[in-house]
Amino acid sequence: GIQVEQSPPDLILQEGANSTLRCNFSDSVNNLQWFHQNPWGQLINLFYIPSGTKQNGRLSATTVATERYSLLYISSSQTTDSGVYFCAVARNRDDKIIFGKGTRLHILP
Amino acid sequence: NAGVTQTPKFRILKIGQSMTLQCAQDMNHNYMYWYRQDPGMGLKLIYYSVGAGITDKGEVPNGYNVSRSTTEDFPLRLELAAPSQTSVYFCASSRDRGSLGGYTFGSGTRLTVV
Repeated sequence: GIQVEQSPPDLILQEGANSTLRCNFSDSVNNLQWFHQNPWGQLINLFYIPSGTKQNGRLSATTVATERYSLLYISSSQTTDSGVYFCAVARNRDDKIIFGKGTRLHILP
Repeated sequence: NAGVTQTPKFRILKIGQSMTLQCAQDMNHNYMYWYRQDPGMGLKLIYYSVGAGITDKGEVPNGYNVSRSTTEDFPLRLELAAPSQTSVYFCASSRDRGSLGGYTFGSGTRLTVV
């Protein structure tokens, strides 16, 4: 099956800093999603981005499908950005969704 | 619009006991899923359903059972609970399986087996 690797596993930043989270995957995918799990455990969809670039406020994501990676950018970090960021992929509409182990982000006030 | 509702939020079971985790969605989604999340790990798929009356195994189905009698409800049954089933369980729903953009997660059930 597809392997999903996220880096770094942990990241500690001061409020206001920028960050880049990476997701590498071992095979071609037609679906890729970034999720944020807040400190209370709630999972929230951030981006559905099988290819290209999207932006939503301070967050943006880029997926280069041909090179099998995706990047999540967080600018001007806030303490509410803390939590775990997961990348999840699926080869196609009928394939299993595979989650990475996540990047744990701590934003210090 | 409640989205995906899971109950209970917390539960402690003794080894060998059984319980049912409830999941309901009000978005008329065909696909529903059960995941477990172990500490420091990502989510692993236990079972999923593509519609009422249809269920299938995911990555880690052993020790669990599911049913899907209606579009709205997708309960997860644990028989003979074991300490290895201590985890946080998430239910999710989507319009279709591969469309990750349409995923909605419940708030989770934290289960401890002692």
